[in-house]
Amino acid sequence: HVQLQESGPGLVKPSETLSLTCSVSGVSVTSGSYHWSWIRQPPGKGLEWIGQLFYSGINNYNPSLKSRVTISADTSKNQFSLNLNSVTAADTAVYYCRALEAGGGGRGAWGQGTLVTVSS
Amino acid sequence: DIQMTQSPSTLSASVGDSVSITCRASQTIADWLAWYQQKPGKVPKLLIYKASYLDSGVPSRFSAAGSGTEFTLTITSLQPDDFATYYCQHFGSDSPWTFGQGTKVEI
Repeated sequence: HVQLQESGPGLVKPSETLSLTCSVSGVSVTSGSYHWSWIRQPPGKGLEWIGQLFYSGINNYNPSLKSRVTISADTSKNQFSLNLNSVTAADTAVYYCRALEAGGGGRGAWGQGTLVTVSS
Repeated sequence: DIQMTQSPSTLSASVGDSVSITCRASQTIADWLAWYQQKPGKVPKLLIYKASYLDSGVPSRFSAAGSGTEFTLTITSLQPDDFATYYCQHFGSDSPWTFGQGTKVEI
């Protein structure tokens, strides 16, 4: 049973880098059974897919964020992370990490979400 | 990139009603579509995967159908617990796996 837990600063200054980590339990991040994903939701708005790391190591990013985002895995800690640089207030959101079953058509686990506010 | 158009954006209904929400893809995505329910302040909950498969523990009053570019989520006999926002998400090809804009089901 896969479980996810986000961690990272709740407040980031404009122009700096937002860095979040998702700790994974119940499966290895190197498993071919899952893809690793980040999603965000600005206050009062809908869900926005940020991108993901396929088990093959290939990334797929939202084109609107692609120039600023990196998703990577730390296999020694069984974690995957999100880095979003040059943040502005528009990046204020609840950030969710997600494990998607490969070929599962949407099945998988969610982290509980963490609010990140961009403000000076 | 594949765009997902969800409609309506808001749906007013009463307990006991049957309602349907539509999600249209700009390109064919076969059956690579999921539906989620989200309540305020909560993590989205998977209802349907692969366009029509009910996730474990989801009540049978939820059903979904479709393939290719048009998909529908139907809730029969709305219950008070069903008033929430619903999202579709595609998993087609290597395109960004975008969400629909959401449908708020309200009284």
